[in-house]
Amino acid sequence: QVQLQQWGAGLLKPSETLSLTCAVYGGSFSGYYWSWIRQPPGKGLEWIGEITHSGSTNYNPSLRSRVTISVDTSKSQFSLKLTSVTAADTAVYYCARGEGGYYGSGSYYYYMDVWGKGTTVTVSS
Amino acid sequence: QSVLTQPPSASGTPGQRVTISCSGSSSNIRSNTVNWYQQLPGTAPKLLIYSNNQRPSGVPDRFSGSKSGTSASLAIRGLQSEDEADYYCAAWDDSQNGVVFGGGTKLTVL
Repeated sequence: QVQLQQWGAGLLKPSETLSLTCAVYGGSFSGYYWSWIRQPPGKGLEWIGEITHSGSTNYNPSLRSRVTISVDTSKSQFSLKLTSVTAADTAVYYCARGEGGYYGSGSYYYYMDVWGKGTTVTVSS
Repeated sequence: QSVLTQPPSASGTPGQRVTISCSGSSSNIRSNTVNWYQQLPGTAPKLLIYSNNQRPSGVPDRFSGSKSGTSASLAIRGLQSEDEADYYCAAWDDSQNGVVFGGGTKLTVL
């Protein structure tokens, strides 16, 4: 059974860089999309971006200028860096495994079926 | 402002059937499949419905999903107290080249 274990600094000051890592245990690392999602306190989910085992990335346009997602296939890990954080970046950050592809109709399916437990990141001076 | 639109709240009594709607556009719901996630208080989201109407192993058949045009719906029949949670719809958006979520619907079991 695939499990995702995530870790990283939980308290940052404004302008610092958020850094989180997610390790994949019990399953294949290749053939999937590895995503980061965040949830500000009392608010909804926001997709941050994804990476494949080969290093191909997609980012949320609203965060693209500050986000880097990287992968270490030798350790089955992927990481998130978010620069120049502000209080608006305070949130629970989740890592997740994504599956995606095209049906014959041309529709693209993409869903996240395994999630980490989440890491609370607080940005405060 | 979320790309997909959901009602902020829904409610029902035990045993009832409730539905939650999700409205999008041609670049997301019309073009691609819809997923639903359930988030119990204080926990990570859990995949509830994928590819419009498919249930992952272990999800009760009380939960069902449907899609038509630019809208989708989640239906829960035989409502139970443990169904009280936040529910999010999501889909791939071709314009953003990424996942977009609805704002979430808080389901209360009265």
